[in-house]
Amino acid sequence: DIQMTQSPSSLSASVGDRVTITCRAGQSISSSLNWYQHKPGQAPKLLIFSASTLPSGVPSRFSGGGSGTDFTLTISGLQPEDSATYYCQQTYTTLATFGQGTKVEIK
Amino acid sequence: DVHLVESGGGLVQPGGSLRLSCAASGFTFRSYEMNWVRLAPGKGLEWLAYISRSATTIYYADSVKGRFTISRDNAENSLYLQMNSLRAEDTAVYFCARDRGLGGNSRYFDSWGQGALVTVSS
Repeated sequence: DIQMTQSPSSLSASVGDRVTITCRAGQSISSSLNWYQHKPGQAPKLLIFSASTLPSGVPSRFSGGGSGTDFTLTISGLQPEDSATYYCQQTYTTLATFGQGTKVEIK
Repeated sequence: DVHLVESGGGLVQPGGSLRLSCAASGFTFRSYEMNWVRLAPGKGLEWLAYISRSATTIYYADSVKGRFTISRDNAENSLYLQMNSLRAEDTAVYFCARDRGLGGNSRYFDSWGQGALVTVSS
């Protein structure tokens, strides 16, 4: 299985801040990297697929980058509704492993 | 609209069994691969199982291989997860998720259910 490591595990930031979460794969996964947002009691939501593509309806303050083993999720201008846990996921193999999650709190 | 609704969760004793269902609507179920994912208390999302459109290809995470069985009924637009030999560490919210493959290694889970809670405890 491909291990996915996210950092930090949690962070606290103010509204309007720029926030960056990193995700490292245990081996090269090309651009087969997705990001999800999960709020308690809700279904996880796809934020970014193929490392940098935003699905329709996702606010443009979310952006993704990277390839190979190192990836980033950036929130440019943090909003109160962005309080959630964020997960990266590799789909380079059918055994689609997730990172351990990054909890984002609003100060 | 795409809808995925899990059911069948509940309280079960260690060593027991449970069968989860995921009812799909709003899309052509037989045209999509599907997955099960879980979220245990204090843990992160964990992918569990994958099933191809015609159920000819199935994969499991090591943590559930040999104990859990994924299946589907395309005529009933339903996905299933049979869980046997349950352990306390299987306590989690279980989600079904639609798999959207774009070709090659480009795929993602574009729709998820709200989840079903499974509690394994004596």
